[in-house]
Order: sequence, then C-alpha cells, then structure tokens
Amino acid sequence: DAKTTQPNSMESNEEEPVHLPCNHSTISGTDYIHWYRQLPSQGPEYVIHGLTSNVNNRMASLAIAEDRKSSTLILHRATLRDAAVYYCILEGGTSYGKLTFGQGTILTVHP
Amino acid sequence: DADVTQTPRNRITKTGKRIMLECSQTKGHDRMYWYRQDPGLGLRLIYYSFDVKDINKGEISDGYSVSRQAQAKFSLSLESAIPNQTALYFCATSDSRQGWTGELFFGEGSRLTVL
Repeated sequence: DAKTTQPNSMESNEEEPVHLPCNHSTISGTDYIHWYRQLPSQGPEYVIHGLTSNVNNRMASLAIAEDRKSSTLILHRATLRDAAVYYCILEGGTSYGKLTFGQGTILTVHP
Repeated sequence: DADVTQTPRNRITKTGKRIMLECSQTKGHDRMYWYRQDPGLGLRLIYYSFDVKDINKGEISDGYSVSRQAQAKFSLSLESAIPNQTALYFCATSDSRQGWTGELFFGEGSRLTVL
C-alpha cells in the first residue's frame, strides 16, 4: 500500500492560514487522498478528500499537486478549536474501503 | 444521542479475562470498523465489515475476534486479554450504498486497561 509522510508537528497563530503538507510519492492512479483530524479525547473526524482536482468544503481546502505526489490541507483561518492531529491517508486499490492512519501532524494553534 | 455508540467507555480487566467491546449505530450504514490507538500512535485497523456477512481482518487482528450481529451492531472480543492490548479502541461506520466517499464516522472510544 502507498505510504504518506507528514511532519510530526506544526504551529500556527490564531486567525492565520495553515498549510499542512503530505507527501505520497508512491501514490497510484486510483488512490484517493483523505484528510482526517482528531481533536483531543475524541475519535477522528473527516475533513476532506480528493482524487486529482483541488477540493473545497466548509472546513478546509485540499490542494493536490499536478503529479499527485503531494498534497496540502489548507485551513484558511486557524482557530483554537483546530488544534488537533491531522492525518493524511491514501485509499484505493488493495486498500479500497479501508483507511490506514499514520502518526499524523500535531497542529498547535497559539492565541 | 450519539450516532455511533460504544460500550463500555472504560474498562479495567485482568490478564486472561474475556472482554467484549460493543458498537451500535443508528446511521443505517453498511460498513463497520474496529481500530485501536496506542499513545502517540495513529489508529490501526483490527477488523472491518462491509456487510453483515462480510468480515475481514485488518492490520492487527491476532488476539481479537469480531461478530456482526446485525447491520447496526459490531462487537470486538478479546478472548484472553493481555497487557499489551491496553489501548483506546474506536468503532467507526461508513456508508457505501450510494458510492463510497471515504467518510468514516467514529464513536467516542472505549478505553481498555489490562492488568
């Protein structure tokens, strides 16, 4: 299965944009890119997903590189509530329907 | 009330005991999953079920078994608990009936301690 690489941690200030990177150089053509986040003491929650084109929803934007070997989750204005662990996950092919969570990126948001 | 309910939320048990963690959902989803999370680590998939009659092993199924009693219920059993099964366990559901979106809905977790 294709792997993802994320920084262990990142920091941001409240009300500033946050760009969370994810590298997935071995992604296959049918793999979807999913982002989840896990707030303290909670189960993970879905943020966004995409295949080839950039995606926007009420929570975030997902920018996918043209070669699909990397992607960036964009939080347009970070709030304290966005402090969480963010997971970038590939899914497709033999991993169809299964999401494998790595260690993710711990995002700290400063007031 | 939560859409995905896990019971018990916390359990302390002893080595060798049989433990069952239960998950029920009111979302009407067809797919259900069990994950475990260890401190500082991501979630690892134990078992998943795409339908009542379709149950599959995940990354770390050894020492665990599951039962999908109905579409809404998916139980995880530890036949003989051991200390390294101490972890936070999450149940999740997803809906593929109108196309798989990759969106999982998680319960609040069951914290299991094996002494």
